[in-house]
Amino acid sequence: NAGVMQNPRHLVRRRGQEARLRCSPMKGHSHVYWYRQLPEEGLKFMVYLQKENIIDESGMPKERFSAEFPKEGPSILRIQQVVRGDSAAYFCASSPPSYEEKLFFGSGTQLSVL
Amino acid sequence: GESVGLHLPTLSVQEGDNSIINCAYSNSASDYFIWYKQESGKGPQFIIDIRSNMDKRQGQRVTVLLNKTVKHLSLQIAATQPGDSAVYFCAEKPGGADGLTFGKGTHLIIQP
Repeated sequence: NAGVMQNPRHLVRRRGQEARLRCSPMKGHSHVYWYRQLPEEGLKFMVYLQKENIIDESGMPKERFSAEFPKEGPSILRIQQVVRGDSAAYFCASSPPSYEEKLFFGSGTQLSVL
Repeated sequence: GESVGLHLPTLSVQEGDNSIINCAYSNSASDYFIWYKQESGKGPQFIIDIRSNMDKRQGQRVTVLLNKTVKHLSLQIAATQPGDSAVYFCAEKPGGADGLTFGKGTHLIIQP
């Protein structure tokens, strides 16, 4: 049973470009979470999704950031017009329906904005 | 500000000794707590969790203690090994909230 899969592992973008981060949850998991981590910091909650629904996006910046979890395919975290301050590690986690609090994390995508 | 924090940013222990990593939380509505281990360049890895109706839970070489009176959580690692070197995060989930709230982490260093 593969774990949470994220790609790419590393993503380099220039200021103003778009970044798309992908996450495939563990098999059987229907809940997806996105977190952001700055160096030497803990993880900050961004958004919680179930299939085709955004449940809680209270941690998402109001502009430029969006997330989706379509019926088919991976969850996508999209950052438009990236700025240097968006440089961070972005982690996706999933949890099973019967144990929603227990999050399993992927290896993350390291976004670097030049 | 952070509702979950740690007392020490770095903890250095001798190989074979027991390690105790502490965590303070401020949200009395939290009913679930979890410890993660994060190695360099990797995602957080689940270690152990505990619900607020318990005060102790044991796993393999690890024990989590919860003191709700003083809002304190600790992770004990028995017979620390070199492979235990990592950053350890505690996280809490307030009842009704959707996401976990993480602390900043403690870097555990194992001395040979």
